[in-house]
Amino acid sequence: NAGVTQTPKFQVLKTGQSMTLQCAQDMNHNSMYWYRQDPGMGLRLIYYSASEGTTDKGEVPNGYNVSRLNKREFSLRLESAAPSQTSVYFCASSLNNYGYTFGSGTRLTVV
Amino acid sequence: AQSVSQHNHHVILSEAASLELGCNYSYGGTVNLFWYVQYPGQHLQLLLKYFSGDPLVKGIKGFEAEFIKSKFSFNLRKPSVQWSDTAEYFCAVNAAAGNMLTFGGGTRLMVKP
Repeated sequence: NAGVTQTPKFQVLKTGQSMTLQCAQDMNHNSMYWYRQDPGMGLRLIYYSASEGTTDKGEVPNGYNVSRLNKREFSLRLESAAPSQTSVYFCASSLNNYGYTFGSGTRLTVV
Repeated sequence: AQSVSQHNHHVILSEAASLELGCNYSYGGTVNLFWYVQYPGQHLQLLLKYFSGDPLVKGIKGFEAEFIKSKFSFNLRKPSVQWSDTAEYFCAVNAAAGNMLTFGGGTRLMVKP
């Protein structure tokens, strides 16, 4: 039972490069989320998808795009990476807000 | 919009000491409340959650939290900490009718052996 799987686990990008973070869940959850974690700031919501086919901005969406490919998969794209996007990114999923399961995270460094 | 405040950013305790971590939230409606723990290098794991009913919630590893609605608080407690409790602790809240889980800034706990 994998839960929430994120890839890659680590990534180094140069400023201006693009990349996509992948997330998949196998729990048949309807909602999925992307958070970033920065020291002293907790986790901040970037984008979420309440159900398949819908996406909404969270607290810090600038510089990111998302795609809810199907019920299982929710990807996060950085079109032109900036050093301010250096962070640890977590994907999560939930079923009707009654419990959130987190992936193991992606540590991204933009140089 | 909802917000969550954790007043203690860093806490250092000796083993067997009692722990209380503060959490206050701002939101006028019905909320679901959570405490998550993140051990070094790992992802977030759920410690306990409150949806309704008894305001004293017991979670894993001997942790408990009390929801005090009048104070908009959900403080985490443990009577006797262990070195293995060294971790970062996050309080989180979402509106019962909403979709966004909002986190506090976290409290980094260090337990000295």
